[in-house]
Amino acid sequence: DTAVSQTPKYLVTQMGNDKSIKCEQNLGHDTMYWYKQDSKKFLKIMFSYNNKELIINETVPNRFSPKSPDKAHLNLHINSLELGDSAVYFCASSQNPDPTYEQYFGPGTRLTVT
Amino acid sequence: SQQGEEDPQALSIQEGENATMNCSYKTSINNLQWYRQNSGRGLVHLILIRSNEREKHSGRLRVTLDTSKKSSSLLITASRAADTASYFCATQLMEYGNKLVFGAGTILRVKS
Repeated sequence: DTAVSQTPKYLVTQMGNDKSIKCEQNLGHDTMYWYKQDSKKFLKIMFSYNNKELIINETVPNRFSPKSPDKAHLNLHINSLELGDSAVYFCASSQNPDPTYEQYFGPGTRLTVT
Repeated sequence: SQQGEEDPQALSIQEGENATMNCSYKTSINNLQWYRQNSGRGLVHLILIRSNEREKHSGRLRVTLDTSKKSSSLLITASRAADTASYFCATQLMEYGNKLVFGAGTILRVKS
C-alpha cells in the first residue's frame, strides 16, 4: 500500500486557471506538509499542518490555500495560476511536527503552467 | 537564501567505488538529515545526525558532522547502480524550530 499518495501525478494547465492537488497518507501520522521543488531542484516548505491545524505558513502567495479536512488528508488549492507556479509539488507526512522525526514523501505532482 | 548547499552538484563514479558528498550550512543547527530522491520519485529519509554527534553509520552510509566548519559529508561505500539518485541534506535551524531547510542536492550517477 502506498504510504503517501498524491493526485494527480501530472497537471498541465493554462495561466489564470484554478487547480487542486490532493494528498493522502495512510501512516496514521499527525503532521503533513506541502513542499515545492523548483527547476533547480531546490525543495522549499510551503505549509505544515498538525492534527488539521496550520503550524507552518511560509511566505507564499495567498493564491495558495491548503486545506486539511482530516489528519490523513492535506489538499492544496491554487488560484489564478501563473507561469512561475510551474514546479513539482510534494506532500509529506511525519509522526509529529518535531523535524527529528522522519518525513515520508509522496511521489510528487508535476505542475506545468502554460 | 538556501541553508544547505551540497557539493559537488553532480558526481559520476563506477560501481564499487565510494561516493562522497558534502553539505555546508550557514547558521547553527539542531540536526542535519540526508535524503535520497530517485528520478521522478519523492524523497526518502536516509539518516539523521544531531548537532552533538560527529559521526553516524547506517549500512553502507557514513555521515560526519563538523559544527565548527558548519559542514557535513555523506559517504556511500561500495556503490551500486541502484544508488544512482539525487542526495539532499536538510537542516533544522535552531531559530526556526520545527522547519527543515533543504539544499539543492548532489546528483550521483553510478555506472555499471
